[in-house]
Amino acid sequence: GAVVSQHPSRVICKSGTSVKIECRSLDFQATTMFWYRQFPKQSLMLMATSNEGSKATYEQGVEKDKFLINHASLTLSTLTVTSAHPEDSSFYICSATGTGDYEQYFGPGTRLTVT
Amino acid sequence: GDSVTQMEGPVTLSEEAFLTINCTYTATGYPSLFWYVQYPGEGLQLLLKATKADDKGSNKGFEATYRKETTSFHLEKGSVQVSDSAVYFCALRGGGSYIPTFGRGTSLIVHP
Repeated sequence: GAVVSQHPSRVICKSGTSVKIECRSLDFQATTMFWYRQFPKQSLMLMATSNEGSKATYEQGVEKDKFLINHASLTLSTLTVTSAHPEDSSFYICSATGTGDYEQYFGPGTRLTVT
Repeated sequence: GDSVTQMEGPVTLSEEAFLTINCTYTATGYPSLFWYVQYPGEGLQLLLKATKADDKGSNKGFEATYRKETTSFHLEKGSVQVSDSAVYFCALRGGGSYIPTFGRGTSLIVHP
């Protein structure tokens, strides 16, 4: 149980375009979802926290207009990187928690490359 | 604030060697402690956890004991395999919080 999927696993896009990453909880209802960014050989950096039906809470230094997060249902959250630039290239990981459960379940990650 | 300090890697071992990856933490109250593993190109997987002092978490031959007196949660395995090559993250989560604090990660490389 407690499986989280991400799609796509890898994406390459041109500079200036937008790309959407999906995060789904497959067998539980995710009341809260989290988006992390991981730079090479570094730890995870929390970008934002989103609760279903509410606006996301962004960490300091994360541009909310650049990284649009939507958590429209209890099983799906999306991260849209708008007007992507090469410096946005990174590994993006989502995680989710269920009702009354503090445990975070991580997705497999999405490798974004902006050319 | 809360913080987690891990030994720097990479840690390079031969197959069947003994593994220790040190982790110490700073936190208020009584946090839960975790080890996550990240295989190349993948997300994080929970390896083991401990929720109170003197608890021992174990999984897949890995163990770690919650030592409150030394604020440590060192990861050990008696005999590593090539398939254990990955990055290992120590983390803590304070009471009532969803969000873990991660260490920087320690890369483990196991040679045949």
